[in-house]
Parts: sequence; structure tokens; C-alpha cells
Amino acid sequence: NAGVTQTPKFQVLKTGQSMTLQCAQDMNHEYMSWYRQDPGMGLRLIHYSVGAGITDQGEVPNGYNVSRSTTEDFPLRLLSAAPSQTSVYFCASSPGTRMSYEQYFGPGTRLTVT
Amino acid sequence: GDSVTQMEGPVTLSEEAFLTINCTYTATGYPSLFWYVQYPGEGLQLLLKATKADDKGSNKGFEATYRKETTSFHLEKGSVQVSDSAVYFCALSGGGSYIPTFGRGTSLIVHP
Repeated sequence: NAGVTQTPKFQVLKTGQSMTLQCAQDMNHEYMSWYRQDPGMGLRLIHYSVGAGITDQGEVPNGYNVSRSTTEDFPLRLLSAAPSQTSVYFCASSPGTRMSYEQYFGPGTRLTVT
Repeated sequence: GDSVTQMEGPVTLSEEAFLTINCTYTATGYPSLFWYVQYPGEGLQLLLKATKADDKGSNKGFEATYRKETTSFHLEKGSVQVSDSAVYFCALSGGGSYIPTFGRGTSLIVHP
């Protein structure tokens, strides 16, 4: 199993550009989520999904869109990049069952917006 | 709502020293508790977990016991190595919600 994969690993955008961060998992997990990690801020939840076709907002959803058309994929779209979105983005998945709530994280995408 | 509080870092130790990183939580229901580790430039990975009161999770010499009476899940290791230098996150999940709650993370620096 590849686990959780994210692409790209690094990205530089100009203010106002749009892009999609890709996330895929091959573990048939129902629950997937996106976090951003900033120095001194810990992990902040952007959006999450409890299954294909179902998404919901997390703590910091503004400026980001998601969709979940398949169990495997959960892309994160930046609509119009701003310098405040410079961060490291992590995708995670989880079986979401009573005996198995642990999160599996991808390696991250390091995004810089100039 | 649920919350996790862990000691602020950085924690700086010499190699072979004893490590404790404190973690306390508030939660509804009966959550599972986790410690994750993040090495520089990488994503978080599960270090250990406990799913019910009095369970002890252990891995790579690290241990933590689910203490419901004190709502704590402190991480310990008897003898740290330089390679243990990383950021450690305490977290809880379950108890009625898919959404995990993470602590802010504690940076550990181990000197030779």
C-alpha cells in the first residue's frame, strides 16, 4: 500500500492564482481531511469528509474548496491564493470505526504564495 | 467541546535522559487517545494509542497510559536518543465524532 499520497510536494504561487492540491489514499478509508500547519499554531482543520459525496467545513475553511467524488481522492482547491495561505498542508485519512480512529497522514505540500 | 492540552516546548534533553511530555484532555463519551510524532520535513505518524481506560500504549520504547481519573495520557521514555528529536502531538478521537482533536505539539530536542 502507498498509504496517503500528496502532490505536489512544493509549490510557489502568485497572489490571485488558483491551484489544486491532490490527495489520494489506497486503504479504503471513509474519513479524509485537510489540515494546515503554521509555526506556533499547531494543526488547523480546513475541510473534512466522512465518505464519498459528503464534505463539511472545519476550523479554517475560507478560501478553500473540496469535493469527494470517490473514496480514494480528496482534492483541495485554492480559489484565489493569498499570502496568508502560505503554509504546509497535510491530508489525512482514517478508517473512522470504533476500534480504529487513528489518522494516517500524507507527507505534506509546502505552499508559498508571493 | 473536546480539547487537548500538552506541555509547551521545546523540551531539551541530553541523550539517555528520561522523557515525560504531559498531556491532559477533556472529552465527552469515551474517546481513544493517541500520540503522533512528526520528524523534520515529514507528516505526522502514529506513535502509540490506547482505546480505553487503563490501557497502556507502547512503541519504540515510548509508553503512555490512559488515565480516566486524571484525564491524562502522558508520554514517557526511559532513555531518549538523538534520533527521537521531533515534534510530538497528543490527540483524541471517537466518543461520538470522527473529527480528531490535537494538542498544539511539543518539540523535543535531544543533544548528544
